[in-house]
Amino acid sequence: GQNIDQPTEMTATEGAIVQINCTYQTSGFNGLFWYQQHAGEAPTFLSYNVLDGLEEKGRFSSFLSRSKGYSYLLLKELQMKDSASYLCAAPNTGGFKTIFGAGTRLFVKA
Amino acid sequence: GAVVSQHPSWVICKSGTSVKIECRSLDFQATTMFWYRQFPKQSLMLMATSNEGSKATYEQGVEKDKFLINHASLTLSTLTVTSAHPEDSSFYICSAHITGTNEKLFFGSGTQLSVL
Repeated sequence: GQNIDQPTEMTATEGAIVQINCTYQTSGFNGLFWYQQHAGEAPTFLSYNVLDGLEEKGRFSSFLSRSKGYSYLLLKELQMKDSASYLCAAPNTGGFKTIFGAGTRLFVKA
Repeated sequence: GAVVSQHPSWVICKSGTSVKIECRSLDFQATTMFWYRQFPKQSLMLMATSNEGSKATYEQGVEKDKFLINHASLTLSTLTVTSAHPEDSSFYICSAHITGTNEKLFFGSGTQLSVL
């Protein structure tokens, strides 16, 4: 089976750094995705990790540890527009269907 | 990047009627498309995998006779919600990835369905 867990909600202050964790259990591993979704809109791609380590992309970075079944999304220099849901997702065995975690709703306050 | 177009963006219908949602890949061919449903403050739940030229594969608990999927060409998949009821009110999103890869999904803009 496949299971993806992430916190339900987080709150952070504008300009700060926030880390959103995700743990996953999959019968096979074909990489791990992070998506951002604003209310009422479709998700947009943020990152894809298939190897262990940290990948940095501007203000957003994503980390993966395959041995621990763990990933996190790091958001730096938070802006109000970063208030959104962040979805951790993983393809199933064979990499065909993508299964999403419940999402973490991030609230950025002034 | 690849673009997926989804129409309509929102629809309001009476209980018992059917609603068709279209999903098109505009600049790439998608032999496979995915249909997700999302209730308020919840994540995306995969409903079915739409396969060009063959029957869709439905996830457990999804009624295939209620959610009809047709994928007649390499760029178009449709989802028809038949005999819609208020509990079918939800945000429906289609997606696709570039054929032959398992990389990121490209999403349509979603359809907000409200059944009265």
